[in-house]
Amino acid sequence: GENVEQHPSTLSVQEGDSAVIKCTYSDSASNYFPWYKQELGKGPQLIIDIRSNVGEKKDQRIAVTLNKTAKHFSLHITETQPEDSAVYFCAAFFLNQAGTALIFGKGTTLSVSS
Amino acid sequence: GAVVSQHPSRVICKSGTSVKIECRSLDFQATTMFWYRQFPKQSLMLMATSNEGSKATYEQGVEKDKFLINHASLTLSTLTVTSAHPEDSSFYICSARRGGNEKLFFGSGTQLSVL
Repeated sequence: GENVEQHPSTLSVQEGDSAVIKCTYSDSASNYFPWYKQELGKGPQLIIDIRSNVGEKKDQRIAVTLNKTAKHFSLHITETQPEDSAVYFCAAFFLNQAGTALIFGKGTTLSVSS
Repeated sequence: GAVVSQHPSRVICKSGTSVKIECRSLDFQATTMFWYRQFPKQSLMLMATSNEGSKATYEQGVEKDKFLINHASLTLSTLTVTSAHPEDSSFYICSARRGGNEKLFFGSGTQLSVL
């Protein structure tokens, strides 16, 4: 079935360093790829997304790149800060019986130490 | 904009009882709502997709008679866990999509603990 693989599962960086999280997806028909940040006990918060008709998107310290041929996309966080510490999930839209549904990767726990 | 309200945030119930969780889109009409389940330190697993006015579509392995989903209006979907058992204890999260827009907005989740 549809699958989204995410790496690494944990990532520790020093404040000010960059962090990169990578995901691959299985369905070449997927055309929308959001990234979510989840803090403990809360619902996921959309931080950035990209559609398949673009290769890169940036929003301040956060950027996402997409390689549709290779079916992988990455999240880049620059100048990390302690408040960036959270679990990050990549996701991709897949067709299911009800239309389209978002399937998530397994998550990356990012720890930024000061 | 695009606020999704979910409540209760936490519920503790006895085994065998039923629990209802509400999910509301506060400032937009949600043609589609999704229900996810998340175990500690794991990813979000899609349980079902709910289109307004029609029956929910459940993912493989999710018991539709146990997890009743109602999407009676464009701003409200409910998930009822019937005859709850300890293994149903989990974090349940709803999300809503506005029209043809791909963006999904999530509620704050409900931590269900079944004793």
